[in-house]
Formats: sequence, structure tokens, C-alpha cells
Amino acid sequence: QVTLKESGPGMLQPSKTLSLTCSFSGFSLSTSGMVVSWIRQPSGKSLEWLAAIDWDGDKYYNPSLKSRLTVSKDTSNTQVFLKITSVDTADTATYYCARADFDYWGQGVMVTVSS
Amino acid sequence: DVVLTQTPPTLSATIGQSVSISCRSSQSLLHSNGNTYLHWLLQRPGQSPQLLIYLVSRLESGVPNRFSGSGSGTDFTLKISGVEAEDLGVYYCVQGTHAPFTFGSGTKLEIK
Repeated sequence: QVTLKESGPGMLQPSKTLSLTCSFSGFSLSTSGMVVSWIRQPSGKSLEWLAAIDWDGDKYYNPSLKSRLTVSKDTSNTQVFLKITSVDTADTATYYCARADFDYWGQGVMVTVSS
Repeated sequence: DVVLTQTPPTLSATIGQSVSISCRSSQSLLHSNGNTYLHWLLQRPGQSPQLLIYLVSRLESGVPNRFSGSGSGTDFTLKISGVEAEDLGVYYCVQGTHAPFTFGSGTKLEIK
């Protein structure tokens, strides 16, 4: 059974660094071709793809945010991380992680940026 | 970036009615490997998106066969043949051919 679950701080202040974790089971990120993506969704709006990391450790970023994003994974290939630097109110959203061709999604974690 | 234009933005249907949603891409989604990475998602109220159709027309496991996908190149369609109450929500197309991956703006399906 494939499951993914996001975790994060819930709320943080502008200019801080947002750190998110995607913990998953039922598959391994070491499997050839496997990819995990990060996507976010402001309330009432559409989805925005942020970044991805693949089984080989290659990283992919949305150019619009690339300077602020860092995606990584743990050595056991059961967690993927995302850091977003210098957050502001526009980063307030629900953040999801998803597997491969978006076939499995986590429940999402709501992040609010506010002073 | 590839822009996916979804129409209509909202759709109101009665139970049993058949409906279609269009997704048009600003460039061809045919990958050099021969696959077309255009997928359809449904986000029910308060839930995460779920995959309905992948690679244009392949039905995800467990998804009712009243859902079907078609299209090629830049024009794609999701059809629901006989809407049921559980189908309400927002439908998104998403492309995974060209980085950065992009989503359509969504089509909200309401049940009359």
C-alpha cells in the first residue's frame, strides 16, 4: 500500500525558511524511474508544481522559484525534503508531495506565512 | 512554460448526464520517447487530488469506466459518461512532458 504524508511547521514568519518533509511507504525512491514531486495550492486556487527528485538523485525545479528551493532525500529513500527560503505571504498554501506521474498524493500540509 | 487552458471553468450537470472537459496545451505534449504525459486529476472538496486518467487515455486502477480520456498533441478531452453524485469536485489536467510540469486552472463540476 502506497502512502505519502507531508509534515511542516504550520505557521512561520516572513523571511524565514520553510522546511517540509514527505514521508512515504509502499515504494522505494531507489527504484529506477521513481520520482517524488512537491506541489502547492493556495486556498481556492489551482496547483503549482515546485520541484522533484528522482531515484538517481537528480533534482528538478520550477524556474520561477528555483533560487529559493532546495529538494533532497534521505539515504534510506523513504523521505523527501523541501526547503523554501525567504518566505512571504504569497507562500501561504497547502503543500503536497506526490509520486511519479501524480498517481499517489499525500494529504497535504497547510502552511501559513504571517507576522 | 507550457500553459494548459481548461474549459469550461464550471460545469453543472444532472445525474446521468454526460459531460466533457477540454484541455488545450500551448505546445505539443508528445515526448521524444513517444509518450504523451497528459493526465487528469479530480480534487473532491476537502481532499487531495486523485489520478483518474494517465497518459491521455489510460484509466487508473479503481477508477470507474464512465471516465475516459482522449486527444493528442495539444488538444485533450476528459469525458464522464453518466455523471454520478460522487463526481463533484474540481478536475485538473496536468502535463509531465515539459519541465516545469504545469496544471490547468481547473473545471468545477457541480451537480444540479
